[in-house]
Amino acid sequence: DTGVSQNPRHKITKRGQNVTFRCDPISEHNRLYWYRQTLGQGPEFLTYFQNEAQLEKSRLLSDRFSAERPKGSFSTLEIQRTEQGDSAMYLCASSFAGGGAHNEQFFGPGTRLTVL
Amino acid sequence: SQQGEEDPQALSIQEGENATMNCSYKTSINNLQWYRQNSGRGLVHLILIRSNEREKHSGRLRVTLDTSKKSSSLLITASRAADTASYFCATDLNSGGYQKVTFGTGTKLQVIP
Repeated sequence: DTGVSQNPRHKITKRGQNVTFRCDPISEHNRLYWYRQTLGQGPEFLTYFQNEAQLEKSRLLSDRFSAERPKGSFSTLEIQRTEQGDSAMYLCASSFAGGGAHNEQFFGPGTRLTVL
Repeated sequence: SQQGEEDPQALSIQEGENATMNCSYKTSINNLQWYRQNSGRGLVHLILIRSNEREKHSGRLRVTLDTSKKSSSLLITASRAADTASYFCATDLNSGGYQKVTFGTGTKLQVIP
């Protein structure tokens, strides 16, 4: 399977703990995106990378959130000191972009986070 | 806040009927995309329309874009039960020199067999 993969698929944690999610994009894609989606809502943009550079961060991405893509391939999203409000589905997507505009994104299955 | 607003929020039709969903946005865009999401699953890209295009077709899908009204519509013809899903529009807009992608709130479509 050469699609976007995310691990873990589900994560249950206690408030105050740190969690880290991983996303493996489609190998030839240079852009990688993170979104958060809560029930009944559309995905909310968190951040995106072009290769290893983080080009845009949403104001939703508080100082407790950090994302990396060290070698321009896989990416990690870490949430420190989790809060119950962080409970959501975290989606990763990748795309290939030759210019500035965003093209078709391929989404992974998501990581569902539950903070108790 | 989300850039796009889909209308209606929910739509229920009989199999074989056409379904039309609308998306409105607030700022100028590079392109607009439509995605489908089945319950509890990831999103699947349906179609992309660029800001200089007015209409685009893909199989049973027809998308229109009116940049003067800042709106788009997605038409699914001859609907099938398998089309039951949530549909989202996503706009690609310039923000401080970089491009952000912003999803709307979605239209939940139910196609009754």
